[in-house]
Amino acid sequence: ETGVTQTPRHLVMGMTNKKSLKCEQHLGHNAMYWYKQSAKKPLELMFVYNFKEQTENNSVPSRFSPECPNSSHLFLHLHTLQPEDSALYLCASGGLDTQYFGPGTRLTVL
Amino acid sequence: AQKVTQAQTEISVVEKEDVTLDCVYETRDTTYYLFWYKQPPSGELVFLIRRNSFDEQNEISGRYSWNFQKSTSSFNFTITASQVVDSAVYFCALSGTPYNTDKLIFGTGTRLQVFP
Repeated sequence: ETGVTQTPRHLVMGMTNKKSLKCEQHLGHNAMYWYKQSAKKPLELMFVYNFKEQTENNSVPSRFSPECPNSSHLFLHLHTLQPEDSALYLCASGGLDTQYFGPGTRLTVL
Repeated sequence: AQKVTQAQTEISVVEKEDVTLDCVYETRDTTYYLFWYKQPPSGELVFLIRRNSFDEQNEISGRYSWNFQKSTSSFNFTITASQVVDSAVYFCALSGTPYNTDKLIFGTGTRLQVFP
């Protein structure tokens, strides 16, 4: 059983839509992360939160807006996305040893 | 610059064959961590192992073994007697900052297909 869950697992949206991705971790970690995985590219770290504070924004366009209301929940709000934003979005939570990943949300932007 | 290279894009083997996945890294840090993750078709990255830079002892876990060699900046992963369930994409990663696993730098992954 995974300790990191993500919803929805699949999402199709138009470029003018607004949607949100949700991540929840049950591992008691204080750090949470958003990654983007595109075909034939390395995983790209997007955002890092430690104790609910954003500590890393890896030059992510403003059409991606993260929110971390507490150490167990992380959201990624999406608006006016582009087709090239279609990808697998992975959430992870971190302990002292490593990061543990959720199953991802497969996003398609039409 | 820090970088992880997995030169093998895709490997195909027949069940029961041994297979080695290569990982070469670059870093100027003297303290760092190396990782391997498995990504099955379901999409979730599954943590397999973490090694720190001071521990070059090889590790074995069942059919999995890892060979860490600082002299060649490599951290290779061998699966012995491969099985169909081993089919997945395998990622090698490097910690981007010392004593911290916040920034992981991933390689592009190696897709392993094990045929019955």
